[in-house]
Formats: sequence, structure tokens, C-alpha cells
Amino acid sequence: EPEVTQTPSHQVTQMGQEVILRCVPISNHLYFYWYRQILGQKVEFLVSFYNNEISEKSEIFDDQFSVERPDGSNFTLKIRSTKLEDSAMYFCASSEPGQGIYGYTFGSGTRLTVV
Amino acid sequence: GIQVEQSPPDLILQEGANSTLRCNFSDSVNNLQWFHQNPWGQLINLFYIPSGTKQNGRLSATTVATERYSLLYISSSQTTDSGVYFCAVEWMGAQKLVFGQGTRLTINP
Repeated sequence: EPEVTQTPSHQVTQMGQEVILRCVPISNHLYFYWYRQILGQKVEFLVSFYNNEISEKSEIFDDQFSVERPDGSNFTLKIRSTKLEDSAMYFCASSEPGQGIYGYTFGSGTRLTVV
Repeated sequence: GIQVEQSPPDLILQEGANSTLRCNFSDSVNNLQWFHQNPWGQLINLFYIPSGTKQNGRLSATTVATERYSLLYISSSQTTDSGVYFCAVEWMGAQKLVFGQGTRLTINP
């Protein structure tokens, strides 16, 4: 099964700092997503991205968050001024039209700790 | 939006036992996936199963889309099966997965 790659695996940052989480989706996928999981809770949708623009975002995805596909392979999530409550596991995912045979493929996650 | 409910929330078994995890959803879906979250937090894709039955080794899954539920079966449980199992669905007309709260499975040696 093809993989989605996320970097870094862990990041510790000070409150108020900007962080960029990076993802390399599967090459022939057209839909890209970010999800968040606060420790002990369920996985929550943040944003979906298609055709170089946001197609849907949740209430969590406020002005502090942004996404970008700067080139043909990377997909990034930026948090402008981190808060303690942004501490969570962030997952990137991608999917192809019609879901293929695997559906959504998730990366291994970036564990963000804001101190 | 769609509601996804998983049961039981917690399950503790001895090694070698069989288990059944359930996922109920409130609307028609065009995608349903089961994931295992391992102790390192990684989401491992177990099954993409919007309908029908699939098997992979000791694991199998069945989705009855018309009745809006899916079951994940784990046979001859091993300690490495421990972790949280999530069901996630994409409902008709949506382009995102919605996750259930998960079932925490603990397999004791």
C-alpha cells in the first residue's frame, strides 16, 4: 500500500511561535486533508484541499491555521501563533477520486507539543 | 452531519479470545474504513469496506450499508492487537471522513 509521509514526527514549540507541519501525499491523489487528535480524544477533521484551494474547513480551522501546496509534492499546515491547546497529533491524509481500493490514506502523524 | 457511534468503548480480553467491535452510523455512506491506532499513535488502515465482507488474516470486517452498521472481528487475539480501533465514514455528498470515538481494546497475556 502506498504511503503518506509526514515530517517531523515530533515537534516541541513555545507558545506564540509559528510551526509548519509537512506532508507528502500519494502522488496520484488529488484530495488532501489535515486531521487533529488531542490526546485521548477522537480524530477530528480540520481541512480538505482540492485543485489548489480549500474545499472545506471545520470550526477548529480558524485564522491561525493555513494550508498550502507549495509545489507538486508537498502539502503543509501552518499554525501562525501556537497556543497550549494546539498540542495534539496532526495527521495528513490523501485520497483519489472514487476512493480507489484503499480509501483515505493517513500519514504517521506529527506530535506537536506547545509549551 | 453524520453520527458515528462505536461500541463497546472499552474491551478487555485474554490472549486467544475473539472479539467483535461495532460501528453504527446515521446516514448513507460511500466510504467506511477501520483503523487501528497503535501505541505510537499511528493510524493503521485495516479495511476499506463501504459494503460487504473482507478478511485479512485474523481480522475480518462486514458492513451492512442498508442497516447502517459495520462489524470488525478479531480472532485469536494477541497482545499486539491492543490499542484503539476507530471506524470512520464518508457520507454521500461529502469529501471527508468522520471518525467515531473509538473502542479501546486491551489484550492481556
